[in-house]
Amino acid sequence: GAVVSQHPSWVICKSGTSVKIECRSLDFQATTMFWYRQFPKQSLMLMATSNEGSKATYEQGVEKDKFLINHASLTLSTLTVTSAHPEDSSFYICSARGQGTGYTFGSGTRLTVV
Amino acid sequence: QKEVEQNSGPLSVPEGAIASLNCTYSDRVSQSFFWYRQYSGKSPELIMSIYSNGDKEDGRFTAQLNKASQYVSLLIRDSQPSDSATYLCAVYSSASKIIFGSGTRLSIRP
Repeated sequence: GAVVSQHPSWVICKSGTSVKIECRSLDFQATTMFWYRQFPKQSLMLMATSNEGSKATYEQGVEKDKFLINHASLTLSTLTVTSAHPEDSSFYICSARGQGTGYTFGSGTRLTVV
Repeated sequence: QKEVEQNSGPLSVPEGAIASLNCTYSDRVSQSFFWYRQYSGKSPELIMSIYSNGDKEDGRFTAQLNKASQYVSLLIRDSQPSDSATYLCAVYSSASKIIFGSGTRLSIRP
C-alpha cells in the first residue's frame, strides 16, 4: 500500500531557530500534500494544502511566512517552522494524496520548542 | 457550528460489547466520509471509508451513513482492549479538503 515517510519523528529546538520537517511518498506520486497540526487532546487542524509545483494554500489564521511549505517534487514536501516559539510546540502530521491512492498519513513529528 | 462534530468522550465500553461512535457534519454536499483511529502520540490510521447511504461492514467494524440527517456512525462489535483509542470522524468537504472532528476517546474495560 501507499507509504509516507515523515522525518524527524521528534525534534527539540531552541526558541528563535527554524526546523524543517520532511514528508516523502515512497511508492506513489503525491500530487497533493496536506499539513496538519495537532495540539494535545485536540483534533487535527489543517494548516495548508500544497499541489506539486504550486504555491501552498494556507488556512485562515496560519502564517504563511512562518510555516514555509515546499512541494517541489511529486515525492517530497517539506514544512519549515521559522523562528519557532514555545507556542509552536505541537504534533505536525502530513498527509499525501496521489492518483487512486486516497489519503496516506505520515507518522508525525513531535516538535518541542524550548 | 463546527464543520464536523463528535462527542469528546470518554466513552467506556465493557470488553466484548458494541461500541457506538457518532458524528455529524455541516457541509450538506459532502460525499466522502472516513473514520480514523489514533493512538496516543501516533498518527491517525484509516479504519473505514463510506460514500453512500446505508451500512458498510468490514470485520468487526460497521460504518453507517445518513446523508439526509448529515450523520455518520461507527460501530465496533466484540470490543477489545486494543480498540481503546481516539476515533476521528473526517469529511471530505466541498472545498476539496478533509476536515476532522475533535475525536471521541474510547476506553474498553476488561
